[in-house]
Amino acid sequence: QKEVEQDPGPLSVPEGAIVSLNCTYSNSAFQYFMWYRQYSRKGPELLMYTYSSGNKEDGRFTAQVDKSSKYISLFIRDSQPSDSATYLCAMSAAGGSYIPTFGRGTSLIVHP
Amino acid sequence: GAVVSQHPSWVICKSGTSVKIECRSLDFQATTMFWYRQFPKQSLMLMATSNEGSKATYEQGVEKDKFLINHASLTLSTLTVTSAHPEDSSFYICSARDMRLGSYNEQFFGPGTRLTVL
Repeated sequence: QKEVEQDPGPLSVPEGAIVSLNCTYSNSAFQYFMWYRQYSRKGPELLMYTYSSGNKEDGRFTAQVDKSSKYISLFIRDSQPSDSATYLCAMSAAGGSYIPTFGRGTSLIVHP
Repeated sequence: GAVVSQHPSWVICKSGTSVKIECRSLDFQATTMFWYRQFPKQSLMLMATSNEGSKATYEQGVEKDKFLINHASLTLSTLTVTSAHPEDSSFYICSARDMRLGSYNEQFFGPGTRLTVL
């Protein structure tokens, strides 16, 4: 079992839809949770960063962490074609060098 | 946000040759740089971590004699793929972090380098 599981998709939605992206993990030591967006042939860019459990909102994006279930989510409201990209979850444990473990990414396609 | 550049953005080389990829932090000092490899529709695979002025720490299964990493300054790290073979063809991405800032989890990624070995 991989430490971080993420469905690769693709996930195809119409413009304006609410998108839900998810990851599960097995390492209970993870405390820092990140979501990255990666456009084709580009490097990832950090979208959201959350520490421990709870919700965090930034514009159309909401990140949720449920440590009891080892489950994290990213919601995108009013999705736009420009949101079409691969979304990678990442998480790391406290202490040491905080090097994150990445999921394989979910490909999202928002069609007009 | 902080900017990380990579050069070249793509390179094609013949089997057996060596290729050098540069990673630069443009507006901050990177105490730590990371090198990743990514295959199509796969996750980022950490290859090595390098701290300025010291030897890189390689992940298990990564040949350090094949993938030479140098982090000679706070703004530049290089990855040299020696004696490249077609199976080394991949997307190589670097990231950088300034451990002195206190935001230990924010890595800034470069745009990646696509290597094709013929």
